[in-house]
Order: sequence, then structure tokens, then C-alpha cells
Amino acid sequence: DQQVKQNSPSLSVQEGRISILNCDYTNSMFDYFLWYKKYPAEGPTFLISISSIKDKNEDGRFTVFLNKSAKHLSLHIVPSQPGDSAVYFCAASEVTSGTYKYIFGTGTRLKVLA
Amino acid sequence: DAGVTQSPTHLIKTRGQQVTLRCSPKSGHDTVSWYQQALGQGPQFIFQYYEEEERQRGNFPDRFSGHQFPNYSSELNVNALLLGDSALYLCASSEWGQGIGWTGELFFGEGSRLTVL
Repeated sequence: DQQVKQNSPSLSVQEGRISILNCDYTNSMFDYFLWYKKYPAEGPTFLISISSIKDKNEDGRFTVFLNKSAKHLSLHIVPSQPGDSAVYFCAASEVTSGTYKYIFGTGTRLKVLA
Repeated sequence: DAGVTQSPTHLIKTRGQQVTLRCSPKSGHDTVSWYQQALGQGPQFIFQYYEEEERQRGNFPDRFSGHQFPNYSSELNVNALLLGDSALYLCASSEWGQGIGWTGELFFGEGSRLTVL
């Protein structure tokens, strides 16, 4: 049972345009969400997080939106750059008493075309 | 400041053998989580260690076991290896609890790629 889903395995965007990566989850108890970027032969790199008490969080070119009623989050990258080409994973967790167990999606491969 | 370091980076084993993977967390971190990432999949949670105890466990059989040492470093052991255990094993470190400024971020190492023949 896939609790966190990234239904688009790949996405191509022109440099300078907006990239929108989507993620859906099924467990309403999830209250913390992360986005990671992964290059080949490297470990995942943290991008941005959001807690369930917010519906938006921004960090530079990256913005994450959370729609709790739809159990949906999205990552917006504006403007997209060729260096953003990587696999992007969303992850969700229920955080209780200091412990958390992140469930990851299967990833979306973003290609930014110069 | 060293980040998360894992060893070995690559290894090849045969079915039925046992393997031990090692992880040193980022300086200042006390919690270590292990993930398995198969080709084309997202990382799958194996277990989490804090204060030398397993705190959370994912849906992995008992063949997967771990340990955390007093210096917060950790080992992942897999017994009776199967072909399906071939994957990238990722270690992630973090701070226990959600204090002021907590972002929920896990810091990942570059992984140990295990091939089982």
C-alpha cells in the first residue's frame, strides 16, 4: 500500500519556466512533509519542509504548498535552472514524541532544458 | 564539519552471506535512520535508532538488524542475503525531538550500494 504517491515519473521544463512537482498521500495522520533532490551516485539532499499547521512555505526559488483536505502537496521551482535536473522525492511522516518515520514517494525525474 | 559518512560505498555478496554496513552521523546528531532504495523506487524506511535503542521499524524481516553505539554511529546487518536485497542502503541522521528551529530534515549519506549475486 503506497501511502505517498508521486504519479508523474518524469517532467520536462524549459529553463526559466516554473516546475511543478506533485505528491499525494493517503494517511491523514501525516503532519510533516519534506522534499528532497537526488543526483545520481549521491545521497538525497534536503530542499524544503512544511508542517501540517501551514499551507505554504518558501525558501528562495522553492515553494511548497500543502492542501490537507485533498491530501496533496506540490513543489514549485521558479525559475527553473538546468542544475535543477534531478530526481525529486516527497516524504511524509507522523511526528510523535520526538520520533518520526518518513515514507517516501517513488520520485519524479525533472529535466530542465536549456 | 563532516556530514553523514557511510562505508563501504560498494560491495558484492552472494546469496546466503551476511553483510554489515556502517554509518557515522553528522556532528551533533544523535538519531540514525536506515533506508533501502531499490532501483527506480523511493527510499524505504528500515529502522531508526536513538540512545542505542531501535525506536521505529518499517516492514522489513528480522534478517535486517541494527545497532547504535555510544558515539551515535550505527551499523546495519543483513543476514541470509537474497537477490532482492540488492539496493542502495542510505543512512540518515537527525536530532531527536522537535526543538526550536527544527526543520524535520534528515541528513543523508551517499549510501552503500549492495549487489547480491
